[in-house]
Amino acid sequence: NAGVMQNPRHLVRRRGQEARLRCSPMKGHSHVYWYRQLPEEGLKFMVYLQKENIIDESGMPKERFSAEFPKEGPSILRIQQVVRGDSAAYFCASSAYRPGQGNSPLHFGNGTRLTVT
Amino acid sequence: SQKIEQNSEALNIQEGKTATLTCNYTNYSPAYLQWYRQDPGRGPVFLLLIRENEKEKRKERLKVTFDTTLKQSLFHITASQPADSATYLCAPEYSTLTFGKGTMLLVSP
Repeated sequence: NAGVMQNPRHLVRRRGQEARLRCSPMKGHSHVYWYRQLPEEGLKFMVYLQKENIIDESGMPKERFSAEFPKEGPSILRIQQVVRGDSAAYFCASSAYRPGQGNSPLHFGNGTRLTVT
Repeated sequence: SQKIEQNSEALNIQEGKTATLTCNYTNYSPAYLQWYRQDPGRGPVFLLLIRENEKEKRKERLKVTFDTTLKQSLFHITASQPADSATYLCAPEYSTLTFGKGTMLLVSP
């Protein structure tokens, strides 16, 4: 039973390029979350998606960032025209239930480390 | 806005002792609070969940308390081992899980 799979593990992009981060949730999980973590910083919530719907994107920058979780396939976090400040570890997590409903621990992937040169 | 405070300084203890980590939160009343462990280069791993109507929860050498009056949770590891060295994150649950910055625990042999 595979856990949350994120790829790539490491991604290097030049300023101005696009970064696409992929996340396959645990089997049976329909709730996906993206977090960003900077060195010495905590996990910052970015976006919460349920199949085909964005439920909460309050933590995501309005420009250049977008996320999707299609009916088929992994969730994608897309960053357009990357800048050096986008360099961080991006973690995806999934859960079986929505927040506040039952026991809903998050299962995290091991992240994608994005470096913008 | 929601604010979560965990000790920013690393906690150094000797093997066999009990480690106690603190999580304080303000400005809201979560229905649940969760604790996670994060190792360098890895994603956080869920450890324990405690509900607002539970005062204490145990799992093997781990114990979590939840004081909704003080808005505080304590996380204890008894008989600590060097393998317990990691960063521990608390996450009061509101509309989405919000994490504290974590406290690094270092257990020396």
